[in-house]
Amino acid sequence: DAGITQSPRHKVTETGTPVTLRCHQTENHRYMYWYRQDPGHGLRLIHYSYGVKDTDKGEVSDGYSVSRSKTEDFLLTLESATSSQTSVYFCATKAGEWEKLFFGSGTQLSVL
Amino acid sequence: DAKTTQPPSMDCAEGRAANLPCNHSTISGNEYVYWYRQIHSQGPQYIIHGLKNNETNEMASLIITEDRKSSTLILPHATLRDTAVYYCIVRQYGGSQGNLIFGKGTKLSVKP
Repeated sequence: DAGITQSPRHKVTETGTPVTLRCHQTENHRYMYWYRQDPGHGLRLIHYSYGVKDTDKGEVSDGYSVSRSKTEDFLLTLESATSSQTSVYFCATKAGEWEKLFFGSGTQLSVL
Repeated sequence: DAKTTQPPSMDCAEGRAANLPCNHSTISGNEYVYWYRQIHSQGPQYIIHGLKNNETNEMASLIITEDRKSSTLILPHATLRDTAVYYCIVRQYGGSQGNLIFGKGTKLSVKP
């Protein structure tokens, strides 16, 4: 839905390495979000963007940064990955005036 | 945002109606009730939302009590493909950044 593509779909990395996840959308949605999902915690918001170069923190933002230089791309960066950041990461975009979120298919990240 | 309470799990026979309850006793007058679902390994999917009137779409019906302190999502003829985690979320309409807070939801198992 909403032409959301997350890349990579799967990634294995080592502790201490930088990692960047990409979310690309083709619907020109203004709002974009990064969530993580872990067993026992459900979906938790990491960062979000309400326009190009406009971003803000969610509830679990420590250790993550984001950038949005174009409407269609929202990047999530782990500057120095830790094992606690092993998770499934979902990107979402907001469609229209009310809050109907469209989600991507997720990125499975393993930090060893 | 008002907090929601959902049963952790429910079973339903294939072809029967699935009725998923949600309590939101602290809901305020301008807060909407949203339902999403997440099929295993996929991103969440929007189902329906409403304010005070009952709503129906091609996927489901939403019944909101008159005092708005609880609601029920109804899948009229559940199929095996409806097996998923269902999230009930209460959110202020047109809120600033559209940050939906997902709880742990109800795991619905549709059985043959």
